[in-house]
Amino acid sequence: AQSVTQLGSHVSVSEGALVLLRCNYSSSVPPYLFWYVQYPNQGLQLLLKYTTGATLVKGINGFEAEFKKSETSFHLTKPSAHMSDAAEYFCAVIPSNDYKLSFGAGTTVTVRA
Amino acid sequence: EPEVTQTPSHQVTQMGQEVILRCVPISNHLYFYWYRQILGQKVEFLVSFYNNEISEKSEIFDDQFSVERPDGSNFTLKIRSTKLEDSAMYFCASSPSRQGAPYEQYFGPGTRLTVT
Repeated sequence: AQSVTQLGSHVSVSEGALVLLRCNYSSSVPPYLFWYVQYPNQGLQLLLKYTTGATLVKGINGFEAEFKKSETSFHLTKPSAHMSDAAEYFCAVIPSNDYKLSFGAGTTVTVRA
Repeated sequence: EPEVTQTPSHQVTQMGQEVILRCVPISNHLYFYWYRQILGQKVEFLVSFYNNEISEKSEIFDDQFSVERPDGSNFTLKIRSTKLEDSAMYFCASSPSRQGAPYEQYFGPGTRLTVT
């Protein structure tokens, strides 16, 4: 079985500061990893994904994440937060022998002016 | 850019009533999914659908739930007799393939179901 743990249900950052959202997973087979973002009253939008190959993946809106197998982590970062980054962020995993997403509990990001 | 659409955006119903949530997946996609998110909880997988049949369902997806692809474009989730605990945001998703990476699923904006 697979699971996803997101550390911190709420993160508050100042505009221009680093955004770091932590995600750890467990999976019995090599995983595919995803970060989704949900803006208020909207659906889930894919930010970025890791499948195979380069472990540092870049996504939309300046976000990137690094797959670290030894740490079973897939942390999301953005060097400089913008007010528009205020949203809820979900880490998700699909084991490579499966197809249904397992989501973390989500992290709500607020950005202070 | 093609997108998944869902209607209605918000549905209020009384306990015991039947509801149908509608989704239009991306047109060339082959795999369809329903997920739900109870307020304050994780997004949970409900069911997947391929080639006009359910390919997998979770333990949440009991006999009160059914899915259907009535025509070439719509994908529906029916709850026969709603309970208070069915109140949640329901997300439809679709993907073009399951074979090989990236298993990317595209989500609709969701339908908020409120059972009173």
